[in-house]
Amino acid sequence: DIQLTQSPSFLSASVGDRVTVTCRAGQVISNYLAWFQQKPGKAPKLLIYAASTLQSGVPSRFSGSGSGTEFTLTISSLQPEDFATYYCQQVNDYPRTFGQGTKLEIK
Amino acid sequence: QVQLQESGPGLVKPSQTLSLTCTVSGGSISSGDHYWNWIRQSPGKGLEWIGHIYYDGTTWYNPSLKSRVTISLDTSKNQFSLRLTSVTAADTAVYFCVREGWNGDYYLFDYWGQGSLVTVSS
Repeated sequence: DIQLTQSPSFLSASVGDRVTVTCRAGQVISNYLAWFQQKPGKAPKLLIYAASTLQSGVPSRFSGSGSGTEFTLTISSLQPEDFATYYCQQVNDYPRTFGQGTKLEIK
Repeated sequence: QVQLQESGPGLVKPSQTLSLTCTVSGGSISSGDHYWNWIRQSPGKGLEWIGHIYYDGTTWYNPSLKSRVTISLDTSKNQFSLRLTSVTAADTAVYFCVREGWNGDYYLFDYWGQGSLVTVSS
């Protein structure tokens, strides 16, 4: 299985801050990486696919980058609705795997 | 707009079989180019991919669950289903059905059901 390790696991930030979450893959996965946002009691929501392509309807303050084994999700200016848990996912190989999550909390 | 809705028992006894159905609306599961997934999330934990099925019935399962899992299609009802046998408390989770759609270049986990909590307990 391809292991995905996210850092940090917890992040405390304020509205307006710029934040970055990192996802490292245990082997090369090209750009076959997606990012999801999950709020309590809800299903995950796709934000970014192919490492850097913004899903339709997702605000442009979200961006993704990376290739190979290291990827980042950046939120340029945090909004109140962005406080949630974020997961990366690889679709390069089976089984599909997810990172352990990064919980973004209000400072 | 594609919508997915899980249904099934919320409580299953240990050693029995967990069965869930996902009803798809707004699109046909047999139209091709999409995979239909089951993903679960244990309370307070992360996401685990269980497996998926293609419109032609081809399946892929997570090796960690493969011996206990079956995913199937019912095209007449536009549904797909999950069976997980010999359940234990470790199978207690919210189960999501998810479309992995093809956008012409890439497969996306783009449409999710709301999730169905299944508790394994006697």
